[in-house]
Amino acid sequence: EVQLVQSGAEVKKPGESLKISCKGSGYTFTNYWIGWVRQMPGKGLEWMGIIYPGDSDTIYSPSFQGQVTISADKSINTASLQWSSLKASDTAVYYCARPRTTETFSGGFDIWGQGTMVTVSS
Amino acid sequence: QSALTQPASVSGSPGQSITISCTGTSSDVGGYNFVSWYQQHPGKAPKLMIYHVNNRPSGVSNRFSGSKSANTASLTISGLQAEDESDYYCASYTSSNTLVFGGGTKLTVL
Repeated sequence: EVQLVQSGAEVKKPGESLKISCKGSGYTFTNYWIGWVRQMPGKGLEWMGIIYPGDSDTIYSPSFQGQVTISADKSINTASLQWSSLKASDTAVYYCARPRTTETFSGGFDIWGQGTMVTVSS
Repeated sequence: QSALTQPASVSGSPGQSITISCTGTSSDVGGYNFVSWYQQHPGKAPKLMIYHVNNRPSGVSNRFSGSKSANTASLTISGLQAEDESDYYCASYTSSNTLVFGGGTKLTVL
């Protein structure tokens, strides 16, 4: 079964760092892009960026460039999203998602992780 | 890049048809046939309903259909059912080699 399994919920203080993960299984991890999507409480979906684990090519949404770092470790089939200094406004659910087809991400995402809730509060 | 524009809410009675619009620009919706639609129930991950403007993934009901005209894409749900009540989001590939989502539409089945 093709699936993405994300790391568990996190509660952090402003200024702390954080790295959450997304582990792929049931398919060749290096052949598909992995994207990250933010959903703030009660709000809509926002595309953050995407990485191709095969060569670590990474594209960021202008809104998130410089705010987060997307990475992948193909040896353990895991993509990650990290912050160096969290803010209260980073409180959200973060989803990872895989596109339908290999080598492109323009055709929709049909595999989604279960989401990771990140709460940033003093 | 700005979010695509969707109506905040739409509603319909069981058995009726509804259409949700998604308006962008020539740099996203109008420039590519790479529009997709997602259904999201509360507390759940999004589910792909339509890709490449008007294609359904395997397992998605044929009551769901998509179309596009100029800078506006549309999702139509026919034969509305109670289980269709959900949030719906459009997304498009952009000329910056990124993706952008719409603001989302809450569908209420009356």
